[in-house]
Amino acid sequence: DGGITQSPKYLFRKEGQNVTLSCEQNLNHDAMYWYRQDPGQGLRLIYYSQIVNDFQKGDIAEGYSVSREKKESFPLTVTSAQKNPTAFYLCASGQTSGNTIYFGEGSWLTVV
Amino acid sequence: GIQVEQSPPDLILQEGANSTLRCNFSDSVNNLQWFHQNPWGQLINLFYIPSGTKQNGRLSATTVATERYSLLYISSSQTTDSGVYFCARYSGYALNFGKGTSLLVTP
Repeated sequence: DGGITQSPKYLFRKEGQNVTLSCEQNLNHDAMYWYRQDPGQGLRLIYYSQIVNDFQKGDIAEGYSVSREKKESFPLTVTSAQKNPTAFYLCASGQTSGNTIYFGEGSWLTVV
Repeated sequence: GIQVEQSPPDLILQEGANSTLRCNFSDSVNNLQWFHQNPWGQLINLFYIPSGTKQNGRLSATTVATERYSLLYISSSQTTDSGVYFCARYSGYALNFGKGTSLLVTP
C-alpha cells in the first residue's frame, strides 16, 4: 500500500538521551515535513525538505535535527537540547510545496 | 506572523445536527486546506480549497479569498465525525495550522 510510515508509534526515553523518529514514504513525493503537536494545540512546524539533500528550519527547530539522504526518508532526531520533548510528532509529505499534503499516523514520544 | 484563527474552539452536537466551522486569516488565503484529526491522532486531508466551494458527501467547504475566510459545513453529523478539525494555509513552503475546532458528536 502507498503511504507514509512513522515508527515507532510509542517511545519512552530518559531525559538527556537523543532519540530518532523514522518517517518513510512511498508516494514519490518531493516535499516532506515534521510537525509537533502538544495536547489541545495545533501543529507547529519543526523542519521541512523540498528536495533530497536539502532542508530548512521551521518555527521550532531548536533541539531537533533532520537529514534527507533519500527521497523517501526524512528522519527526525530529538536531541537532549530540546527542553520539552514530550509530544506527538507528525510527519507529512506532498508532491511539491503548495499542494495537498498527507500525514503519517504519528509518533508519541514521552521523556521521563 | 500570519494568524490563522478557528472558531468555535469547541463544539458539542447531537447526532443528526448540522454545524459550521470557520477559519479566518490575517493574510491572504494561500492554498487553504481542511483536515480532520480522529481521536487516535490520524490526520486526514478533507479539502484543498484555495477558493470557491467543494462538496464531499456530508461535508462541504467554501473559501472566500477576498474576505480571507473559509467555512467547513458538516451536515447530518455522525459520531464518527468527532475529532479535531484544522484549517491550514501555506506560509512560504509549508502549511501553517490553526489551533483547531474540537468536535464531539453524541448519540
